Amino acid sequence: DGGITQSPKYLFRKEGQNVTLSCEQNLNHDAMYWYRQDPGQGLRLIYYSQIVNDFQKGDIAEGYSVSREKKESFPLTVTSAQKNPTAFYLCASSRGERSPLHFGNGTRLTVT
Amino acid sequence: AQKITQTQPGMFVQEKEAVTLDCTYDTSDPSYGLFWYKQPSSGEMIFLIYQGSYDQQNATEGRYSLNFQKARKSANLVISASQLGDSAMYFCAMRFNSGGGADGLTFGKGTHLIIQP
Repeated sequence: DGGITQSPKYLFRKEGQNVTLSCEQNLNHDAMYWYRQDPGQGLRLIYYSQIVNDFQKGDIAEGYSVSREKKESFPLTVTSAQKNPTAFYLCASSRGERSPLHFGNGTRLTVT
Repeated sequence: AQKITQTQPGMFVQEKEAVTLDCTYDTSDPSYGLFWYKQPSSGEMIFLIYQGSYDQQNATEGRYSLNFQKARKSANLVISASQLGDSAMYFCAMRFNSGGGADGLTFGKGTHLIIQP
């Protein structure tokens, strides 16, 4: 079955460490996205990519970095510069403008 | 900038009743799309329904329908005959068409719906 796989489901890190969240899709979608969700809040866009080797900052890109070397993969690195990294991170992909975003099951990151 | 407002942080509804979840939006772009998602406690985001700004009819998808009032900039989700499994967070989201085709969605803060037996 086609879908988006995020791993791991839960991730624990010490403050000051960089951590990379994995996102893989086999839907053959060109566009991919990373969102952050805090308790009781909606989703906020971190980064997005329309094609391989190209990506743009979203509303809250500071302290994060991404790469898009393959169509299927869009990993997100949470750097030590991110002041409040503890959150639920959701990856998504899309076929195009009128198409919905398909989401992975998310990674819950806890930094202590 | 686009903005989505969901004014109901939480709602309690009796099973089998119809539910209306409010959503208003603000954009100066004439071309946009509106989406509703359901997020159960497991965290996954489930797409429910889509309405394009130029669509002539209100969208429907099974028990879900969208009450789209363009002049009022509102896109309320209606769930008919609610079920216990409808208990979840519901998010309204908007995609604007700036020509790039993949700028993502702007989300509201959500409504926590609880269906009571």
